[in-house]
Amino acid sequence: DAGITQSPRHKVTETGTPVTLRCHQTENHRYMYWYRQDPGHGLRLIHYSYGVKDTDKGEVSDGYSVSRSKTEDFLLTLESATSSQTSVYFCAISQGSRSSGNTIYFGEGSWLTVV
Amino acid sequence: SQKIEQNSEALNIQEGKTATLTCNYTNYSPAYLQWYRQDPGRGPVFLLLIRENEKEKRKERLKVTFDTTLKQSLFHITASQPADSATYLCALDHGQNFVFGPGTRLSVLP
Repeated sequence: DAGITQSPRHKVTETGTPVTLRCHQTENHRYMYWYRQDPGHGLRLIHYSYGVKDTDKGEVSDGYSVSRSKTEDFLLTLESATSSQTSVYFCAISQGSRSSGNTIYFGEGSWLTVV
Repeated sequence: SQKIEQNSEALNIQEGKTATLTCNYTNYSPAYLQWYRQDPGRGPVFLLLIRENEKEKRKERLKVTFDTTLKQSLFHITASQPADSATYLCALDHGQNFVFGPGTRLSVLP
C-alpha cells in the first residue's frame, strides 16, 4: 500500500462544467502521475509531476490541467468536461531508482461520467 | 511509431495449466519491463520487474523473461488457479514515465 487516496471515487457531471479530481499521498514520493483507462486504449498518461510546481504533459493532455502545490497532493482538472472524458482516472506514484528500477503504485481510481 | 502489444485480449486456460502471456514492443529501448495485475474495479498492482540485462525473473508461481533482441517479454503463471483470473498488463519505462500495454484478460477455468 503506497498510501494513495483518490477523491471523489465516483462522479457524474454535466458537459461543460469544470471538474477536479484529487490525489493524495502520504509517503512523500516525488513523482506523481494521472492516467486514464479506456476500453481499447489501455492506460494513457495525462500529466505527471516531478516535484512541487513541476509538471509536464503526457500523451493525452488536451482538455486537462494539473497542479501540485504540495508534495502530497496532485490535482487533475477538466476545464470544461466533455463526453469523451468519461473514463476511469488513476493516480499513481513511482518508487525506486533508475538503477534498481522504478515501479508504479496506483490509487483505486476515480470513475467519471460526463453526461 | 512506438507500440506495445499484448498477444491477445483474452486467454482462457484450465486450472493447473501454465498460462503464458506475451508482451511485444516496437521502437522503445526500455531499461526494464514490468508486469501488473488488475482486478475489475481496482487499480493495477505491481507484480514483477525485469531489467534489460536479466533473462529471467521468478517469484513464487510467476516467471518473466525478457528478450531485448526480440523486443519481447513472456509472463508465465504455473499451476494456475481460478484466483489468478484477472487482466495482466506489461509496462515499459520511457524516460521519466511508463507506457502500458493494453492488457490480456486471463480466465482460469476450474
